[in-house]
Amino acid sequence: EPEVTQTPSHQVTQMGQEVILRCVPISNHLYFYWYRQILGQKVEFLVSFYNNEISEKSEIFDDQFSVERPDGSNFTLKIRSTKLEDSAMYFCASSEILLAFFGQGTRLTVV
Amino acid sequence: AQTVTQSQPEMSVQEAETVTLSCTYDTSESNYYLFWYKQPPSRQMILVIRQEAYKQQNATENRFSVNFQKAAKSFSLKISDSQLGDTAMYFCAFMKGVTSGSRLTFGEGTQLTVNP
Repeated sequence: EPEVTQTPSHQVTQMGQEVILRCVPISNHLYFYWYRQILGQKVEFLVSFYNNEISEKSEIFDDQFSVERPDGSNFTLKIRSTKLEDSAMYFCASSEILLAFFGQGTRLTVV
Repeated sequence: AQTVTQSQPEMSVQEAETVTLSCTYDTSESNYYLFWYKQPPSRQMILVIRQEAYKQQNATENRFSVNFQKAAKSFSLKISDSQLGDTAMYFCAFMKGVTSGSRLTFGEGTQLTVNP
């Protein structure tokens, strides 16, 4: 069964550093998303991406964040100048039209 | 803006029994979709069931069924014949249906524990 794949599964980074979280969406899907879940809290939408551009973003997704589909298969989330409060589980998801399928998540720890 | 509320932070059930998880939502949209996602300890988000708002018939997926009350904006999940593997966090989620690729808005989650 096709699945969304995220790497790495766990990333530890120093405060102030840049991190890139990677995702390989399901191949025939058209819409791509990033969500985050701070430990013990609800899952929050960050951004959606369609046709090589951002289609929607939340208030969380400020200039610190950027997304890219560099090569037609990968979908990346870049977080610049990480802060302690960026520590969370980051989920990539993709959908053909309606149903969003999630990856297993990347646990980001900022120290 | 849409909101999703799950008022039961934790629930427990005995194996083989039935449990119902509650979810209410608020929206001014007429066309939307509702989902239940399961998050086991591995923390992966797994789709359990979905409901289209324009459908009056409640969705069913094996042991999982929903009670969709559109006027009351209520969307509960019933799990029959509970199994130990059902132990997980369950999230109710809302999606506007106007355009494809809309965001999901999640509730706070309900931690379900199935006891042997």
